[in-house]
Amino acid sequence: GQNIDQPTEMTATEGAIVQINCTYQTSGFNGLFWYQQHAGEAPTFLSYNVLDGLEEKGRFSSFLSRSKGYSYLLLKELQMKDSASYLCAVRDKAMYSSASKIIFGSGTRLSIRP
Amino acid sequence: EAGVAQSPRYKIIEKRQSVAFWCNPISGHATLYWYQQILGQGPKLLIQFQNNGVVDDSQLPKDRFSAERLKGVDSTLKIQPAKLEDSAVYLCASSVGQGISYEQYFGPGTRLTVT
Repeated sequence: GQNIDQPTEMTATEGAIVQINCTYQTSGFNGLFWYQQHAGEAPTFLSYNVLDGLEEKGRFSSFLSRSKGYSYLLLKELQMKDSASYLCAVRDKAMYSSASKIIFGSGTRLSIRP
Repeated sequence: EAGVAQSPRYKIIEKRQSVAFWCNPISGHATLYWYQQILGQGPKLLIQFQNNGVVDDSQLPKDRFSAERLKGVDSTLKIQPAKLEDSAVYLCASSVGQGISYEQYFGPGTRLTVT
């Protein structure tokens, strides 16, 4: 089966660092995405990992360990505008098919306090 | 570059009524997705098109939901008849292809309320 777990809510302080974890179980792992979604808005792409290791992009970094079925999103120098939901999504490739689909976790709602 | 367009943005209907949503993907994007996002949850894939063919519709409630993508560009999603549990935001997304690195671009969504 397919399963993606991430914490429901987190709180952090402006200027600090926060790590949002995601664990997954899929039959045909083929990449992991992180999306940001502000309340009432559509998700926007943050990062993509397909190989193990850390991908850094400005204040945001994403890490993947395929053997552990684990990823995290690291946000540095937090700003108030970072208050949003962060969605972990896994691309799952069907066996005997070239088709793949993206499965989203329920998201982590991050609140930033001054 | 114009983004993914959706209409309407909001819709309120009574249960058992019908409703249709429209999506215009980013020009040149071959893959189009419809997601259902219930409040407090992540998006759930309903159907995925590659050009005008269906790639995956395993989570589409086919007794009441239907979707088409005429000429491999615009797409419509229909619900007939609607149930209370269909209240959600319906997101359309598109990507260049369905290859492993292709990110999805989401439209603003249609917020459906079924009363």
